[in-house]
Amino acid sequence: DSGVTQTPKHLITATGQRVTLRCSPRSGDLSVYWYQQSLDQGLQFLIQYYNGEERAKGNILERFSAQQFPDLHSELNLSSLELGDSALYFCASSVATGQGQDTQYFGPGTRLTVL
Amino acid sequence: LAKTTQPISMDSYEGQEVNITCSHNNIATNDYITWYQQFPSQGPRFIIQGYKTKVTNEVASLFIPADRKSSTLSLPRVSLSDTAVYYCLVGRLYNYGGSQGNLIFGKGTKLSVKP
Repeated sequence: DSGVTQTPKHLITATGQRVTLRCSPRSGDLSVYWYQQSLDQGLQFLIQYYNGEERAKGNILERFSAQQFPDLHSELNLSSLELGDSALYFCASSVATGQGQDTQYFGPGTRLTVL
Repeated sequence: LAKTTQPISMDSYEGQEVNITCSHNNIATNDYITWYQQFPSQGPRFIIQGYKTKVTNEVASLFIPADRKSSTLSLPRVSLSDTAVYYCLVGRLYNYGGSQGNLIFGKGTKLSVKP
């Protein structure tokens, strides 16, 4: 158990819909990362937040957005869903000391299925 | 951005040493190299991290040549439970001073350990 929690575990929805994935980081971790993992694309970094502010952006679509709240939990919002958005979505957290590259602790993931 | 290349798969037998190499020709000066292990339907788990030369911990060693354009994860005496996908991650969280970082995962190497 990494200490990172994600809800829900599974999500099934239809094309065109909007969903919200939630992540609670490990106690004391200030940084949260979101990743998408699909069979053909591997693990894709989407976005990173540090203490409420966006810090790094990867291959995140405009239909996707994220935020980190004052209590440090984070939400990833996916809208106008397409079949290709079906994937595992992982959240990770780190202490974010600013020294080098912090160890990331990954949650168990949310499996999104778009029908 | 540093792109990474890893072998898609590798086979080994219990008790053997396994070396997985990751190429990252465009690695930036401030980039670190981190390796993660992932079992099916679980989030990746940190194995080891390095910047240059050699790093060793209780589970693996990481060799990084002087030019840092590649790195090799070495797993001594693998067991069946080491069967997993191994990811090489190159990048940095963020830079103080405003510029955003990025994190690039390789496609992963599927290691199969046989009895």
